[in-house]
Amino acid sequence: DAGVTQSPTHLIKTRGQQVTLRCSPISGHKSVSWYQQVLGQGPQFIFQYYEKEERGRGNFPDRFSARQFPNYSSELNVNALLLGDSALYLCASSFSGSAYEQYFGPGTRLTVT
Amino acid sequence: AQKITQTQPGMFVQEKEAVTLDCTYDTSDPSYGLFWYKQPSSGEMIFLIYQGSYDQQNATEGRYSLNFQKARKSANLVISASQLGDSAMYFCAMREGGGNTPLVFGKGTRLSVIA
Repeated sequence: DAGVTQSPTHLIKTRGQQVTLRCSPISGHKSVSWYQQVLGQGPQFIFQYYEKEERGRGNFPDRFSARQFPNYSSELNVNALLLGDSALYLCASSFSGSAYEQYFGPGTRLTVT
Repeated sequence: AQKITQTQPGMFVQEKEAVTLDCTYDTSDPSYGLFWYKQPSSGEMIFLIYQGSYDQQNATEGRYSLNFQKARKSANLVISASQLGDSAMYFCAMREGGGNTPLVFGKGTRLSVIA
């Protein structure tokens, strides 16, 4: 079975631009969570979606938004990119949203210049 | 306040030896879960082991065991018989409460296994 997939793998953007990151959960999983991992730090929670509804939001500015589609895939959007948005963005899926069974994807590495 | 503290930025261990990675946590919630993840250079977070706050016994998964000391609020990961493939970043994480709360991660420990 395919694991969590994320696209693109790498991305380079310029300050002020907008970016969309995509995540496909494991088949049958209905919850998707997004995390930001800045170099040298642990991942930080951004959003959780379950059954297409936002179930949680971390301490991130409104420039960050996300949505979940009927097939449970998800997109993370970041507007007005800042240099500090450079990070590895991780997506995790689980059947019910329970963190115990979260499976992470390989991440999208975003570089903002 | 830091909820998860990993005080060892880097650790070295000889192949086939055991190594302990430290993790302390802070919570006032009586119900919580503690997790360890491995992150190779590829970036993917790989789940290793889980310990619930009400679990009576320390969790074990193959070569991984979790030394859970509730009173000290510590949840150290022990890797036995280290292998070269164990070289990676290791993150301790916690989830508070019994619902769909997010994982809170520590800053990680980089483990290097030496042949």
